[in-house]
Amino acid sequence: AQSVAQPEDQVNVAEGNPLTVKCTYSVSGNPYLFWYVQYPNRGLQFLLKYITGDNLVKGSYGFEAEFNKSQTSFHLKKPSALVSDSALYFCAVRGVDSNYQLIWGAGTKLIIKP
Amino acid sequence: NAGVMQNPRHLVRRRGQEARLRCSPMKGHSHVYWYRQLPEEGLKFMVYLQKENIIDESGMPKERFSAEFPKEGPSILRIQQVVRGDSAAYFCASSPRTGGLADTQYFGPGTRLTVL
Repeated sequence: AQSVAQPEDQVNVAEGNPLTVKCTYSVSGNPYLFWYVQYPNRGLQFLLKYITGDNLVKGSYGFEAEFNKSQTSFHLKKPSALVSDSALYFCAVRGVDSNYQLIWGAGTKLIIKP
Repeated sequence: NAGVMQNPRHLVRRRGQEARLRCSPMKGHSHVYWYRQLPEEGLKFMVYLQKENIIDESGMPKERFSAEFPKEGPSILRIQQVVRGDSAAYFCASSPRTGGLADTQYFGPGTRLTVL
């Protein structure tokens, strides 16, 4: 069965510190991995995706994500957190068996404290 | 350069009324997806449509819910005889083509439905 896990409901980070939001997945074949961010009462904004190639993917707002095939992970990272990064972050995966459907994680609330 | 547009942004209905949610995909996109998000929860897939075709409605409740994407005009998600449990945020996303596993879905701002 295909699935995505975001093991942390909430992550707290001090402003200026590096942040990591974790995501692990289970799909058949090669995964296509996505990160989205949702601000309060807003829609989801696309941050970045991994298709193939370099394991380190760079995205919007200074975010990046590292694909690790052996650990089936796709953790979202940022070297220096901003208060404005506080939001809800969703990881999603698509595999050959899910075709067009994105399989979503439950979301991780990121809180950046000044 | 308009993104995905949804209207209304907020919709209040009394139990038993009908709710109609509209979604206009990004320019050049011909594939539309509808999702529902309950408070403090992730997104749940409802339906995937192309112009004049429902490709997958496996996430749609069997009764009261329907969706369409006509040749002209926006996609419509219709909820008949709404109940309080229908209160949620409904998001529409669009993508440029089907079968492309690498395709990104772009989301609209959502419609927040409140059933009194």
